[in-house]
Amino acid sequence: AQSVTQLDSHVSVSEGTPVLLRCNYSSSYSPSLFWYVQHPNKGLQLLLKYTSAATLVKGINGFEAEFKKSETSFHLTKPSAHMSDAAEYFCVVSKGGGGNKLTFGTGTQLKVEL
Amino acid sequence: DTEVTQTPKHLVMGMTNKKSLKCEQHMGHRAMYWYKQKAKKPPELMFVYSYEKLSINESVPSRFSPECPNSSLLNLHLHALQPEDSALYLCASSQGYGQGVETQYFGPGTRLLVL
Repeated sequence: AQSVTQLDSHVSVSEGTPVLLRCNYSSSYSPSLFWYVQHPNKGLQLLLKYTSAATLVKGINGFEAEFKKSETSFHLTKPSAHMSDAAEYFCVVSKGGGGNKLTFGTGTQLKVEL
Repeated sequence: DTEVTQTPKHLVMGMTNKKSLKCEQHMGHRAMYWYKQKAKKPPELMFVYSYEKLSINESVPSRFSPECPNSSLLNLHLHALQPEDSALYLCASSQGYGQGVETQYFGPGTRLLVL
């Protein structure tokens, strides 16, 4: 069984300040983890993915995430928020060892203020 | 190019109508997916096609009927829907299915309103 918990349903930051979106996972297998972003009335865009290579993963638009097995975490960070980062962010886990079913977190709404 | 396209962008239909949603990808992917997403919720998997064969049906009501005419196209036929079926319907594709973890690429979705 696998699950993912996004610890904050809403995060608000000022433009130019760091972003931290928290995600903890549970998996019986060696997991693959993803962060997707969804802007209003749009589909999901892949930000980055971890598949057991480097634990620090760099994604698009300046985002990165660090896989910490000891803490079962995969938090998403960005050094400096931009207004265009305002969106819904989903942390997603996929079972390793075969199969491609995704388990989504409940999402974190990121608000960026001037 | 990691583009999945979906048509139409918006659809309004009555409960007695028959309509279809279309999804297309030209990345050579052999797995395609339909998801349903209600407001403020994560997507929920409906169907998975692998090599044009239905691999997973997540106990979806029969008023939703998927079809995969070829490896690039995925349709979702709708008939006698209920107002609670109003949602954003997302299509996704990946290189394969069941061989390991594959990244899924999502289309922009069709926003469906059932009156």
